[in-house]
Amino acid sequence: AQTVTQSQPEMSVQEAETVTLSCTYDTSENNYYLFWYKQPPSRQMILVIRQEAYKQQNATENRFSVNFQKAAKSFSLKISDSQLGDTAMYFCAFMKSHSNYQLIWGAGTKLIIKP
Amino acid sequence: GAVVSQHPSRVICKSGTSVKIECRSLDFQATTMFWYRQFPKQSLMLMATSNEGSKATYEQGVEKDKFLINHASLTLSTLTVTSAHPEDSSFYICSARKASGSGETQYFGPGTRLLVL
Repeated sequence: AQTVTQSQPEMSVQEAETVTLSCTYDTSENNYYLFWYKQPPSRQMILVIRQEAYKQQNATENRFSVNFQKAAKSFSLKISDSQLGDTAMYFCAFMKSHSNYQLIWGAGTKLIIKP
Repeated sequence: GAVVSQHPSRVICKSGTSVKIECRSLDFQATTMFWYRQFPKQSLMLMATSNEGSKATYEQGVEKDKFLINHASLTLSTLTVTSAHPEDSSFYICSARKASGSGETQYFGPGTRLLVL
C-alpha cells in the first residue's frame, strides 16, 4: 500500500523568504502522479502543483516549484518570495496511474507566513 | 477553469434528521466525484468514490446506508447523511475529476460544515 509522509507539522517563515516543505512517499509503482494542494483558512482545497513521475523535469508554477527525487521517493515543495496569502495547510498527495484515481494524502504541514 | 460548487456551505440540523449536500461541477463534466470528510486539523479522509450512473464505492468503515450517494448526472453528485447524529458533525468536501483529458487532477468544492445538535 502507498503511504505519504509529511514530517513537518508546522513551519513559519518571514514574508519574502523562501521555504521548503518536505514530502516522502512509499510505493512500488513506477507510474504515478504527485500533487501539492493548499488549504487556506477558508478550507477551499486548491491545487498548487502536480508532477508526473515519468517526467524528470521538476514542475514549476510561478513562485512554486518542486524537487522531485524519484529514486529517493521525495517530493518537496519550494515556495519562493513567500507572501502572507501563502499561509495555509499544505497537503502532499499521491495517485497511481491507471487506477481508480484515488488520492493518498499526507497529514499536512501548517505554513505560517509572518509579516 | 474547473469550478466545483457545494451546497449548502453550512448546515445545522437536529439529531435524527437527514441532510443532503450537493456537489456540482460548473464548467466541466465529471466522470468521477469523490466525497471526503475532514476533522479539525487533520487530513482528508475518503468516504466514497462515485461514478456517474453507477453505485458508489464506499471505503472501509463508511456505512453506505447512512451516507447515501447519488451521481445521477455528469455534473451533480449528492451526499445524504441519514438520521444524523452529533458524531456526524464534520466538514464534508467533494471533488471531481474531468471526463475529458487526462483526468488525474481532482478539483475540490468549498466544503460543507455540518453541525448536528
